[in-house]
Amino acid sequence: QKEVEQNSGPLSVPEGAIASLNCTYSDRGSQSFFWYRQYSGKSPELIMFIYSNGDKEDGRFTAQLNKASQYVSLLIRDSQPSDSATYLCAVSRAGDYKLSFGAGTTVTVRA
Amino acid sequence: NAGVTQTPKFQVLKTGQSMTLQCAQDMNHNSMYWYRQDPGMGLRLIYYSASEGTTDKGEVPNGYNVSRLNKREFSLRLESAAPSQTSVYFCASSDADGPNQPQHFGDGTRLSIL
Repeated sequence: QKEVEQNSGPLSVPEGAIASLNCTYSDRGSQSFFWYRQYSGKSPELIMFIYSNGDKEDGRFTAQLNKASQYVSLLIRDSQPSDSATYLCAVSRAGDYKLSFGAGTTVTVRA
Repeated sequence: NAGVTQTPKFQVLKTGQSMTLQCAQDMNHNSMYWYRQDPGMGLRLIYYSASEGTTDKGEVPNGYNVSRLNKREFSLRLESAAPSQTSVYFCASSDADGPNQPQHFGDGTRLSIL
């Protein structure tokens, strides 16, 4: 079992819709959770991080964390063509410097 | 403010050659990291340096060495390149005090080994 799992996609959503991305993790000792966006041929860019159960909102992005069920999700509201990218979920254990990444979900927003 | 700067951006090597990838950050971050990214496999940690003077192995350290030259610079060396090391290499840094911090990435080095 991979430590961090994501559906590879592609996830295709119409412009203006909500894109919902899911990420599950296997280590119950995980403490910190990160979402990165990566455009093709570019480097990962931090979108959000979340440490506590519940929702965290930043603009059009909402991260949701459920430690009991071991998943973290990312919602993108009012999706725009510029949101078309691969989204990487990353997790770290309590007290750890290292991040474990999922393989990413590719999102395509169609106009 | 350049953030995390990696050099070179592209490199082609022959099997058995050696080279050093350079990384420098100007954000006064304590921790620095080297990852490789291969299609369908996400980012995998090669080595990291939690603070100046320390280095530790990550998930895939074989065939690599690192040097934390000072607080700003963290280099990755391939002593004898192999085709399996063809990849995109990313350097990252993270904020100060302690673990579990967000990491910020450089633009990457695209390395091909023939």
